Amino acid sequence: AQSVTQLGSHVSVSEGALVLLRCNYSSSVPPYLFWYVQYPNQGLQLLLKYTSAATLVKGINGFEAEFKKSETSFHLTKPSAHMSDAAEYFCAVTRSGTYKYIFGTGTRLKVLA
Amino acid sequence: SQTIHQWPATLVQPVGSPLSLECTVEGTSNPNLYWYRQAAGRGLQLLFYSVGIGQISSEVPQNLSASRPQDRQFILSSKKLLLSDSGFYLCAWSVEGWSNQPQHFGDGTRLSIL
Repeated sequence: AQSVTQLGSHVSVSEGALVLLRCNYSSSVPPYLFWYVQYPNQGLQLLLKYTSAATLVKGINGFEAEFKKSETSFHLTKPSAHMSDAAEYFCAVTRSGTYKYIFGTGTRLKVLA
Repeated sequence: SQTIHQWPATLVQPVGSPLSLECTVEGTSNPNLYWYRQAAGRGLQLLFYSVGIGQISSEVPQNLSASRPQDRQFILSSKKLLLSDSGFYLCAWSVEGWSNQPQHFGDGTRLSIL
């Protein structure tokens, strides 16, 4: 069975500082991984996806993530946080042969002025 | 391009009343469709998914039901709402079949039960 663990339900960073949101997955077959962002009272918006091509994936709003098979990780980073990055972030995994997507419990990012 | 519409945006209902939430997708054919519920601080709970007209898979036993009367229409219903049905309901779609492509979400419905 697949699973996703997001370490840290709340993360605070200063404006301009590095953003690092952690995601570890468990999958017995090659996974497809996604990061989403959710602003209050809105749906989830796709930030980026890993689908077995390049291991370093660039997404929207300056975010990127690196797939590390040896560490079963897919951490999300951004070099410099903006106030507008304050939101909740979800990591998700799926694989070939299923219609289901497994989501982590989310990390709420707070950006301090 | 594909779009997903979900309504209403907010809904306040008394306990025991019925429920109908609707979701439609445009710009794609035979999508996989999903209903999730999101409780505060608890991530997304998959309620139902459908891979074709009239085909519904239920993930969580409860007093909710889903239907797919048309290819790109997905409806979430209840005959009698419970207090525990409060939450943020999200509809999503993905391309048909098994795929490495992501899900795409609607803007959600905030349901409050009084």
